Parts: sequence; C-alpha cells; structure tokens
Amino acid sequence: AQKITQTQPGMFVQEKEAVTLDCTYDTSDPSYGLFWYKQPSSGEMIFLIYQGSYDQQNATEGRYSLNFQKARKSANLVISASQLGDSAMYFCAMRGINGGGFKTIFGAGTRLFVKA
Amino acid sequence: DGGITQSPKYLFRKEGQNVTLSCEQNLNHDAMYWYRQDPGQGLRLIYYSQIVNDFQKGDIAEGYSVSREKKESFPLTVTSAQKNPTAFYLCASSTGYLANTGELFFGEGSRLTVL
Repeated sequence: AQKITQTQPGMFVQEKEAVTLDCTYDTSDPSYGLFWYKQPSSGEMIFLIYQGSYDQQNATEGRYSLNFQKARKSANLVISASQLGDSAMYFCAMRGINGGGFKTIFGAGTRLFVKA
Repeated sequence: DGGITQSPKYLFRKEGQNVTLSCEQNLNHDAMYWYRQDPGQGLRLIYYSQIVNDFQKGDIAEGYSVSREKKESFPLTVTSAQKNPTAFYLCASSTGYLANTGELFFGEGSRLTVL
C-alpha cells in the first residue's frame, strides 16, 4: 500500500531564513511522482514542485527545492529565504499506479508559520 | 480562463438527506478526483476517474457516490449513509493519466455542514 508521512505538525521559521519540511513515503511501484502543494488559509491548493522517481537531479522551482533521497524514500521540501506569505499548510503527495489507474495520495500536512 | 468550478461553496444539510456537489472543468483533463479534508488534516481520496464512464473507489468511498457521464463533469453525492459528512470537499483534475506526472488542479472547494 502507498503511504505518505509528514511528521511535523507545525514549524516556525524566521523571515528570510530557510526551512525544511519533511516527507517520507512508502510504495512498491517502480515508477511514481512526488509533489508538494501549499494551502493558504483561503483553502485553495497550489502546486509547488514535482519530482519523478527516475529523475537524477533534485527538482527546483524558484525558492522551492525538493531534496529527493530515493534510497531513504524521502522527499523533503526546502523553502529558501522565507517570506511572510509562505505561512500556510504544506502537503506532500505521491502519484503512482494503483489497480485501475493512477491516483494521488496526500500526507497529513505541516503548518508553517513565518515570523517577522 | 480554464479551471475547475465547484458549487456550491457552502452547503448545509439536515441529517438523512442526500446532497450533490458539482465539479466542472474546462481544462480538457481526462482524470478527475474528489478529496475530503477534515479540519487540520490532510486530503483523503474519495473517488477518482481516469476516463468518461469509468471511476474507482478511493480510500474512503463508503457513503459517497459519483458519476462521470461527461469529460467535463464529475459530481459527488454525499448520501445519508455517510456517518460524518461535515467536511471540506475538494475536486481536482489532471492530465497525463497514462503517466505518473501531471500535477492536480483544484477547485476552490465546497464546505458541507450537517445540522
């Protein structure tokens, strides 16, 4: 069975500092995709970054980077130079084959608080 | 502009009533999904559909039903059999259903409250 684990219910970071949000996953699929989404208090879900299981290099998107360690089954999100607008819930997600087709599952999330 | 439209945004229901949440997309995506989110928690998959006239149960399908008669539409019915239906419901779509790439595009959500 597929599973995503986010062990940090809440994190605090000082503005302009970097922060790492942890994510570990479990799957038996040979090929899968890993995602991070941001959910501000408004409730919308915003896609941040994607990492394919066969990608050799870690994904980066602006201030976001994904620290992918396949052997450890971890896909941590690194946010550099935190901004007040980064305060939100962050979800790690995985998409892979499951029976009748692909589906995406989510972790429980980490709430990030950015302090001024 | 392309996107996903969910309606209604807020819905109140009496116990024992069925309600249907609408989800429409104009992104020409093949795959559509319904998730449930409880306060302070992650998203749990209810149902998903890869193509028209086909759908699969997710992790918490009991008490819910869906249909996929059109590519653009994937309505979710919360039946009276759902024991604790008060939650935030998110609809999503994605392309690339034959590959594991393809991020989810989400609607703004529907908040259901059972009185």
